[in-house]
Formats: sequence, structure tokens, C-alpha cells
Amino acid sequence: NAGVTQTPKFQVLKTGQSMTLQCAQDMNHEYMSWYRQDPGMGLRLIHYSVGAGITDQGEVPNGYNVSRSTTEDFPLRLLSAAPSQTSVYFCASRKSQRDTGLNTEAFFGQGTRLTVV
Amino acid sequence: AQKITQTQPGMFVQEKEAVTLDCTYDTSDPSYGLFWYKQPSSGEMIFLIYQGSYDQQNATEGRYSLNFQKARKSANLVISASQLGDSAMYFCAMRERTGGSYIPTFGRGTSLIVHP
Repeated sequence: NAGVTQTPKFQVLKTGQSMTLQCAQDMNHEYMSWYRQDPGMGLRLIHYSVGAGITDQGEVPNGYNVSRSTTEDFPLRLLSAAPSQTSVYFCASRKSQRDTGLNTEAFFGQGTRLTVV
Repeated sequence: AQKITQTQPGMFVQEKEAVTLDCTYDTSDPSYGLFWYKQPSSGEMIFLIYQGSYDQQNATEGRYSLNFQKARKSANLVISASQLGDSAMYFCAMRERTGGSYIPTFGRGTSLIVHP
């Protein structure tokens, strides 16, 4: 059972570089989302998707792009990395409420620790 | 204003004792869900327990129970018989309907340290 797989686990970028954080899930979950975790701030939602072809912004979307061309994959793109984007990034997926109601816990990837210098 | 408030940045408890981690929430939606997650030092997020806004009884999962007081908008996590492996960050989260989707909001977390 792979669950939610994030790659890479660690990454160091220089300011201005671009990169894509990969997220894949094999549970056929409709909902996928990206969070960033900063000390003392909890998890903050960056972008989310309710299904293939549908994405929307979360609480802190600036500087990030997403796309959802398939149910399985939900990559997060940093267009021009900044030191403020140094963080731990989590991808999560879950079933639709339509199928299971509100009691749908999210399954998280292992996280990507990103440092921008 | 924060939707989820966890007022205890850090908590200490003796092994085998019970501990309560506080969580208050703010929503005007009558339909919402409350979750607790555990994040050990290894970093992964582990789902612990869920409480629905219409649930009549407090949720329980093994040593975890949720003290749900709807009128006070609180959803405290109670861990009974603490173990050393319970040392971790604990996050309270709420899912409410926002613009047609149910979007979760997380609190800032409480760090729990269990002493032997």
C-alpha cells in the first residue's frame, strides 16, 4: 500500500530557481491538497483540488501553481523560489464527502523539506 | 480570527497519567467535522480521531477520546494512560463547507512530552 507518495524528501534551492514537488496517490481519492508547515504556524493550505481538472486556492497560494491532469497526481510548482518558501510541504488526499460524509480523514505524504537559500 | 485555536504550545505529562489537549473552534456552519492528528518527530501526520457536529456521543478510539462541547465550541483530546510514544505534536483540525467544498483548517499544534 503506497498511499500518498511525495518526492523529493529533501531539496535545497537557490533564490529564483523553479522546481516541482511531486505528489501521487494510489487510493483513487478525489480530493488532494498541499500544505506548508512552519514552526508555530501549524499546517496552512496552499492549493487544493476536488477532482481531475479542478483546482482552487487555499490560504497561502502566492508563489505556487498546481494542476490536476489525472486523479493520481497533484504536483506543486514553485515558479521562482524565495527564502520565505523554506518550509516542510505536505500533500494529502481523501475520499469525497459525497461518498463517505464528513468523516473522511486525510492521508498525508511523508513531507518534503525545502530550503531556499 | 483563527478558526482553530490550540492555546497550549507545550504540555508535559507523566507516563501512565491522562492528559487533555485543548482545542476551540469557530464556525457558523451547522455541519462540520473535527479531527485530531498526531505528528511524531519523524514527521508523518497520523489521524487519531474524528467528531462530527451532529454526533450525539463523544468519539473514542482506544486510548483517545474527544471531549466535544458543542455549545462552547470546544473539542479537547483526552489521552488516557500516556505512553512514552505519545510524545509528539498534536494538531486539531476542522472541516467546514467553504464555497462548495469542505476545506480543512488546522490549529497551530500542541507539543506533548511524556516523562517516564
